[in-house]
Amino acid sequence: AQTVTQSQPEMSVQEAETVTLSCTYDTSENNYYLFWYKQPPSRQMILVIRQEAYKQQNATENRFSVNFQKAAKSFSLKISDSQLGDTAMYFCAFMKRNAGNMLTFGGGTRLMVKP
Amino acid sequence: NAGVTQTPKFRILKIGQSMTLQCAQDMNHNYMYWYRQDPGMGLKLIYYSVGAGITDKGEVPNGYNVSRSTTEDFPLRLELAAPSQTSVYFCASSYSGGSSPLHFGNGTRLTVT
Repeated sequence: AQTVTQSQPEMSVQEAETVTLSCTYDTSENNYYLFWYKQPPSRQMILVIRQEAYKQQNATENRFSVNFQKAAKSFSLKISDSQLGDTAMYFCAFMKRNAGNMLTFGGGTRLMVKP
Repeated sequence: NAGVTQTPKFRILKIGQSMTLQCAQDMNHNYMYWYRQDPGMGLKLIYYSVGAGITDKGEVPNGYNVSRSTTEDFPLRLELAAPSQTSVYFCASSYSGGSSPLHFGNGTRLTVT
């Protein structure tokens, strides 16, 4: 079974600054995907970024980027130029390849962006 | 497109009552899922379905049942509600079993008292 750990229950950052959210996971699988989801107060789950484990290049989506360290089983999310709308819960998630798209989630990090 | 629609948005149940949480998607997705999110926690998989007529248990299936008679609908049934089932329930769907992104509904907040 896979486990996903987010060691930072809460974080805050000033608007326009950069923040990094941590995520570690434990698996014996070699082929898998990793995700970051954002959950604003509206409760909607929004996919932020996705990383395939077989790709060495770190994924980037506009202001969001990841630092994927496969050997260390680490998958951190960096948010650059933080905006007030980035205030949300952020969940790291793991998906084993060819396993029906089932996600294993971490416990989440609550991010507050301060004006 | 409506995407994934969950009803109701909120519900309060008494212990021992039963109810069905509805989920419908209009994207012709084969895969559908039910997750629960306890306060301050991540989501945990209850049941999933890879197509009409096929369902399987996830991580926390006890106390729940599902059916998948059509591609569009994936209702979640709670029998004999218990306080431990107080949670927010999310339905999701995806096109295939690769790494197709999951589309989530807006959730149903259920309180059992």
